[in-house]
Amino acid sequence: DSGVTQTPKHLITATGQRVTLRCSPRSGDLSVYWYQQSLDQGLQFLIQYYNGEERAKGNILERFSAQQFPDLHSELNLSSLELGDSALYFCASSEDRASGNTIYFGEGSWLTVV
Amino acid sequence: ELKVEQNPLFLSMQEGKNYTIYCNYSTTSDRLYWYRQDPGKSLESLFVLLSNGAVKQEGRLMASLDTKARLSTLHITAAVHDLSATYFCAVQPFDKLIFGTGTRLQVFP
Repeated sequence: DSGVTQTPKHLITATGQRVTLRCSPRSGDLSVYWYQQSLDQGLQFLIQYYNGEERAKGNILERFSAQQFPDLHSELNLSSLELGDSALYFCASSEDRASGNTIYFGEGSWLTVV
Repeated sequence: ELKVEQNPLFLSMQEGKNYTIYCNYSTTSDRLYWYRQDPGKSLESLFVLLSNGAVKQEGRLMASLDTKARLSTLHITAAVHDLSATYFCAVQPFDKLIFGTGTRLQVFP
């Protein structure tokens, strides 16, 4: 158990719908990362937050948004869902980059768009 | 754009044999991570390499980092079936953690 908690574990929804994925980082971790993993695209970095502020942005679609709340949990919102958004979405957390400690991943949220 | 390339992409090896997975990256990074992933599962941290020349070992796996060559290796010694998984390297030049393509390792008797 990495200590990073993601909910829901599995989600099936229809095209055009909107879903929210939730992540609770490890106790004490200020950074949260979001990744999308699909068979044809590998592990794609979406976005990173540090202590509530957006720190880095990757290939995140405009239909997707995220935020980190004062209690440090994070949510990834996916809207106007398309079949191609079906993937495993990971959240990861770490202390400040300067600590050099590892980055821990949650179990992921399986999203299936039908 | 930062690129992280691993080779080979697929590796089928016999138990007891040794092999090396290579990770090349295209921009300066002072650290590199190795992860293991079983099918449909989370990513398990294996190593964090924080400086040029860093070498870390855990069981049958040994990782090294050459920041000048922008190269990391993951060496497998006397492979066993339990090592079958996909291995990813990742670099973090600033805040982004960018993953390589992954190497799918299958160890057979």
